Amino acid sequence: NAGVTQTPKFQVLKTGQSMTLQCAQDMNHEYMSWYRQDPGMGLRLIHYSVGAGITDQGEVPNGYNVSRSTTEDFPLRLLSAAPSQTSVYFCASSKQGSETQYFGPGTRLLVL
Amino acid sequence: DAKTTQPTSMDCAEGRAANLPCNHSTISGNEYVYWYRQIHSQGPQYIIHGLKNNETNEMASLIITEDRKSSTLILPHATLRDTAVYYCIVRVLHNYGQNFVFGPGTRLSVLP
Repeated sequence: NAGVTQTPKFQVLKTGQSMTLQCAQDMNHEYMSWYRQDPGMGLRLIHYSVGAGITDQGEVPNGYNVSRSTTEDFPLRLLSAAPSQTSVYFCASSKQGSETQYFGPGTRLLVL
Repeated sequence: DAKTTQPTSMDCAEGRAANLPCNHSTISGNEYVYWYRQIHSQGPQYIIHGLKNNETNEMASLIITEDRKSSTLILPHATLRDTAVYYCIVRVLHNYGQNFVFGPGTRLSVLP
């Protein structure tokens, strides 16, 4: 198993540009989520999904959209990037009822 | 979820036990104590979790006080590779995934 994979590893955007951060897992996990981590801080939940076709907002959802058309994929969309969205983004997945989340390697995003 | 309090940073000599404390005085009866760690620039990694009893696995031991208001993560023989930020999280075990709230954690530095 590859586990949780994220692409790209690093991205630079200009203010107002859009992009999609990709996240995929091959463990057949029902639950997937997106976090952002700003320098010196813990992780904050952006959006999460409990299964294909079901998504919900986390702590800091503004400026981000998600969809879950398959069990494997959970892309995060920035419709109009802002400098405040400069951060490291982590995707995570877990099996329903499991206590363990598996995290991807992260995507570093810089918005100029 | 109950709030947790951890020291900002700690040092430990290589080969010695690292004891990381966590206070969770408002924990309720059905909340678990989870520990994750984040090695520089990587996604968080699950370490251990427990409800009431002390727990041990190949990575660490978790000691929970009888009143459950505090706990200690023990790395029995710390190595340089254990240098990381350690997060103590208190959370009800949900059937549909774990939306963890990651605070700033404890930055453990293992010194040669």
